[in-house]
Amino acid sequence: DAKTTQPTSMDCAEGRAANLPCNHSTISGNEYVYWYRQIHSQGPQYIIHGLKNNETNEMASLIITEDRKSSTLILPHATLRDTAVYYCIVRVAWGSARQLTFGSGTQLTVLP
Amino acid sequence: DAGVTQSPTHLIKTRGQQVTLRCSPKSGHDTVSWYQQALGQGPQFIFQYYEEEERQRGNFPDRFSGHQFPNYSSELNVNALLLGDSALYLCASSLGHNNSPLHFGNGTRLTVT
Repeated sequence: DAKTTQPTSMDCAEGRAANLPCNHSTISGNEYVYWYRQIHSQGPQYIIHGLKNNETNEMASLIITEDRKSSTLILPHATLRDTAVYYCIVRVAWGSARQLTFGSGTQLTVLP
Repeated sequence: DAGVTQSPTHLIKTRGQQVTLRCSPKSGHDTVSWYQQALGQGPQFIFQYYEEEERQRGNFPDRFSGHQFPNYSSELNVNALLLGDSALYLCASSLGHNNSPLHFGNGTRLTVT
């Protein structure tokens, strides 16, 4: 699976959009971009994933650049409960290679 | 609809002992994976079970073993515990080998003294 690079930490004001970047310059054509987050003392929570088109769900939006070498997770109106470590992961979606390779992630702190 | 449940939530063991951790997958899921998360680090993949067989394994010694039962629940066993085995052990479930995302439990915190 391709390696990802994320900032170690970010702050965001409550109510503002949080934009979390991720670089994955060695991504292959059949690898998806997944985002998970981990709130303190809980297990990781799936947020969203995509291949090459932008995706949106009730939690967030995922913007993937045209060359697919980077992506941005957008939380449109961050709340204090969004404070967590956010992990960007790229992996092949199909077949038996189901494990996720977690990096160190980005610690997002939402400030009141 | 219950999510992934793990037991116990906390456990303290002594070096050299053996431990068994348990996981019940989310309803409808048939694949279980186990991860180890040391303090301050991201989770590391241990192994995955599907159809009661170990399908993939990460870079962990054979002191780490597992089992999946016909009802899809799973156990993680660790023998000859080391201090370095102290970590949060996470179970994740999913449906087969498709594109469905993994659902994680809240883990078992294992402390080895």
